[in-house]
Amino acid sequence: GQQLNQSPQSMFIQEGEDVSMNCTSSSIFNTWLWYKQEPGEGPVLLIALYKAGELTSNGRLTAQFGITRKDSFLNISASIPSDVGIYFCAGRRIETGANNLFFGTGTRLTVIP
Amino acid sequence: GAGVSQSPRYKVAKRGQDVALRCDPISGHVSLFWYQQALGQGPEFLTYFQNEAQLDKSGLPSDRFFAERPEGSVSTLKIQRTQQEDSAVYLCASSLGRAQWRNSEAFFGQGTRLTVV
Repeated sequence: GQQLNQSPQSMFIQEGEDVSMNCTSSSIFNTWLWYKQEPGEGPVLLIALYKAGELTSNGRLTAQFGITRKDSFLNISASIPSDVGIYFCAGRRIETGANNLFFGTGTRLTVIP
Repeated sequence: GAGVSQSPRYKVAKRGQDVALRCDPISGHVSLFWYQQALGQGPEFLTYFQNEAQLDKSGLPSDRFFAERPEGSVSTLKIQRTQQEDSAVYLCASSLGRAQWRNSEAFFGQGTRLTVV
């Protein structure tokens, strides 16, 4: 079952607004990843984080690896209609090795033009 | 093609029927993963191959699920005696390096949507 708590479950925002979503776990993770999935497609990697405290940007997207290694957040600035989709956090736990990515339940983002 | 290709895109199976789902990874990619994504959920890990070796099958939900990658390229996920709870999108992903390599994250295919009726 899912081991990552992702919030919020859904967001409705106006174009141009900033967005913030986060992911928490009771376990320590050594990798945090953020993906976007659109209908009928597979997840597409947005940002990868490998070190506690790491802050990484990809265009209008910024993500951080929490210093406790149990959480991560993703921010999207100045949202545009093509940001619509489902955003998933994913992570690797030291105990379960590198093969197994655990995914959150997703944040469904709707951008109103 | 340039990406991970999965076929068929959609499959409807009668309960009890066997199904086979195909994954063509990106050429030259060493690692291959299968995930199951139920409606409204995130993907869940099923199994991992490094070349032709199945190194991790801890996520396979039952012995009705079987995966192979005999020549280290194309992979097939087989589900025997399908049940309604098997209905989901099955995603395949591949990466250039071994699973434990940083900055070698996997690319996902579009998935196969399986509906068991």
